[in-house]
Amino acid sequence: DIQMTQSPSSLSASVGDRVTITCRASQGISSWLAWYQQKPEKAPKSLIYAASSLQSGVPSRFSGSGSGTDFTLTISDLQPEDFATYYCQQYNSYPPTFGGGTKVEIK
Amino acid sequence: EVQLVESGGGLLQPGGSLRLSCAASGFSFSSYDMHWVRQVTGKGLEWVSAVHTTGDTYYPDSVKGRFTISRENAKNSLYLQMNSLRAGDTAVYYCTRGSPGGDAFDIWGQGTMVTVSS
Repeated sequence: DIQMTQSPSSLSASVGDRVTITCRASQGISSWLAWYQQKPEKAPKSLIYAASSLQSGVPSRFSGSGSGTDFTLTISDLQPEDFATYYCQQYNSYPPTFGGGTKVEIK
Repeated sequence: EVQLVESGGGLLQPGGSLRLSCAASGFSFSSYDMHWVRQVTGKGLEWVSAVHTTGDTYYPDSVKGRFTISRENAKNSLYLQMNSLRAGDTAVYYCTRGSPGGDAFDIWGQGTMVTVSS
């Protein structure tokens, strides 16, 4: 199975900050990577697929980059509604696997 | 509106069985691969099973032989039959849609809670 490692596991930031979350795959996954946002007691929401493609309706302050084994999710100009937990997921091969999550908290 | 609605969760004893259902609406259900993903309270996400449009099914080792995923395209419905349940299966179970061109999960249901406890 491909292991996905996210860092950091949590971070504190202020409204207006630029936030970067990294995700590393244990082997190359090309661009078969997705990012999700999850708020407490809610289902995950898809943000990005194919490493850098924004899902319809997702604000442009979210962006993704990377290929192979190293990926990043960047939130520019952090907004109050962006405080949540973020997960990466590889879908290069079965089983699909998720990173452990990054909790973005208010500083 | 594109929507997935799960049902069937509950409380049951170890060794028991349960069938989860997921009703899909607002899209051509038969054209999409479908998945179940679970989440233990306070923990991360774990993929549980997939059924492709071809009918092919996939499972991780943790549930293989105990869980069975199926779909009924005529009813726009997805199912998860769970047998020989263990305390470690306690989680919220989400029904998700695989996006075109790959198994990123673009639509999620609200989830249904399964609790396995004596």
